This record gives sequence, C-alpha cells and structure tokens, in this order.
Amino acid sequence: EPEVTQTPSHQVTQMGQEVILRCVPISNHLYFYWYRQILGQKVEFLVSFYNNEISEKSEIFDDQFSVERPDGSNFTLKIRSTKLEDSAMYFCASSLLLTGLNTEAFFGQGTRLTVV
Amino acid sequence: AQKVTQAQTEISVVEKEDVTLDCVYETRDTTYYLFWYKQPPSGELVFLIRRNSFDEQNEISGRYSWNFQKSTSSFNFTITASQVVDSAVYFCALSVPGNTGKLIFGQGTTLQVKP
Repeated sequence: EPEVTQTPSHQVTQMGQEVILRCVPISNHLYFYWYRQILGQKVEFLVSFYNNEISEKSEIFDDQFSVERPDGSNFTLKIRSTKLEDSAMYFCASSLLLTGLNTEAFFGQGTRLTVV
Repeated sequence: AQKVTQAQTEISVVEKEDVTLDCVYETRDTTYYLFWYKQPPSGELVFLIRRNSFDEQNEISGRYSWNFQKSTSSFNFTITASQVVDSAVYFCALSVPGNTGKLIFGQGTTLQVKP
C-alpha cells in the first residue's frame, strides 16, 4: 500500500543551525502539507503546497520556514535557524485532492526534531 | 473561524468495556468534513474515517462506530469491546472547502485500555 515516507525519523540539532526535513509523498497525490506537534499537544497546520507553490500557511510558518519540491518526488521543510521552541514532531501529509473533497490526507510517520 | 474541541483529555477503561470519545466542532460553513485519526504510541497518524456534512448517517466499522449529529455539532467515536491495542491518542479534525485542505485538529483524547 502506498505510503508517505519521512526522513530522518529523529534529528537532533544545535540552536541556530539549519535543518531540512524530507518527505516523499504518495506518488499520484497533488497536495502536500506539513504539520507540527509539540510533545503532548495537538497537531498544528504549518503549510499547504499545490502546483509548486504555497497555497496557505499558518502564523507559525514565519520567515524561518520554507518548503520546496525540488525534483517532483521529494517535499522538504527547511528551518533556517532553529530555536529551542522548534522542537516537535513534524508530520508530512499528502492527498489526491483537497482534504475532504472525496479524499483524505495520509500522514508520514513523522520526524522528531530536537533542538538543543 | 473553525474549532474542534475534545473535552476528554484522558480516558482509562478496562479491556472489553465500551468507550465513547467526544468531539464537538465549530464552523459557519454549511459544507465541511470531519475526520478521526489515531496516534498509537509509535507516533504515526492513522486515518480512521472521513464524513461530510451532508451525510448524517452513522457508520460502523467492526468495533468502531461514529455518531454524527449536526444539531449538536458533534462527531463522537465509540469503540465497542475495547482492546489493549486500542490504546492511543485519538484526534478529531475538521476541514472546510476553500481553505486549501488544511485540517484543524482537536486537542486529542488519550485512551488507555488496561488488560
């Protein structure tokens, strides 16, 4: 069964360093998302991406964050200068159509980012 | 604005008990979609069900059932004859058309099923 794949599963980085979280969405999906879950809290929307551009972003997704689909299969989230409060589980998701329009979003297993 | 409330933070039951997880949503849209996701201890988010606002028919899938009531803006999830493997965090989520497909999640309910 097709699945969303995220790498790495766990990343530890020093404050101020840049990190890139990688995702391979399901191959025929057209919409891509990043969500964040701080430990013990709810899952929060960061950004949605369609047709090679950001379609919506949340307040959390400030200038330190960027997304890219560099090669038609990977979907990346970059944090330029990490802060302690960026420590969280980051989930990538993809859907064939807009979530809810006859389809659902499938999530990857997550990347746990720890900023020290 | 849209909002999802899961008032139950933690629920603990003994195996074989039935348990209901509550979800209340807020939206002014007449068309919207509701979801339940399961997050087991391993951390991934597993899709369970999607419901659109025009379909109030309750759904049953094995030991799982969902009760959607527009009159009370609720989309509750019942597990019948719970099992230890049901132990997880369960999230209810809402999506509306035109907002690029983002999901608005509730706080989650941690379900612990004891043997």
